[in-house]
Amino acid sequence: SSDLTQDPTVSVALGQTVRITCQGDNLRSFYASWYQQKPGQSPVLVIYGRNNRPSGIPDRFSGSRSGNTVSLTITGAQAEDEADYFCNSRDSSGNGVFGTGTRVTVL
Amino acid sequence: QVQLQESGPGLVKPSETLSLTCTVSGGSISSYYWSWIRQSPGKGLEWIGYIYYSGTTNYNPSLKSRVTISIDTSKNQFSLRLSSVTAADTAVYYCARRIPDTMGYYLDFWGQGTLVTVSS
Repeated sequence: SSDLTQDPTVSVALGQTVRITCQGDNLRSFYASWYQQKPGQSPVLVIYGRNNRPSGIPDRFSGSRSGNTVSLTITGAQAEDEADYFCNSRDSSGNGVFGTGTRVTVL
Repeated sequence: QVQLQESGPGLVKPSETLSLTCTVSGGSISSYYWSWIRQSPGKGLEWIGYIYYSGTTNYNPSLKSRVTISIDTSKNQFSLRLSSVTAADTAVYYCARRIPDTMGYYLDFWGQGTLVTVSS
């Protein structure tokens, strides 16, 4: 299966660390990218490749990969990090696939 | 800074064809891949397909029979056509630039999205 599974919701206390995971068979062969989406806005790329951040993305965002799971970690979560987060990867045919999404709440 | 802007009808009747255009500004459409993604209300993101500036395409298998993505490099635009639409095709449609890397790809610039409602 090319599905990518994420926990629907995660909460984190202000200033603490949260890890968001994405699981799927494709992830054994391909990297994932991560997107942050706030209500009413377009997704924004936050992590891509091995662990790369686009210009303007704070260094509290980091990515990692192990087996069939990729993770996005927010170290020292801020109120503005409250959003939906989606992973994205590809299958062997080059088809794209998005994760089911995780809503992060900052308490 | 590359910018993308979707345009097209916001209301399409069932069984008709949805047509959207994405205009790229601040950079050339050439030498890149370009994608369409959609998001049904309150739901997650769904990959529709992509096109290379040369015209090579790849479509979501679940939509392949109804989707056509085309490109006009002279206008710096690419387009989406989705035929035989139903209410299930109601969604916000996004265009984005696709960058392949060693072991995957990423979408670095996105349009603001356009809501298309399928209703009679």
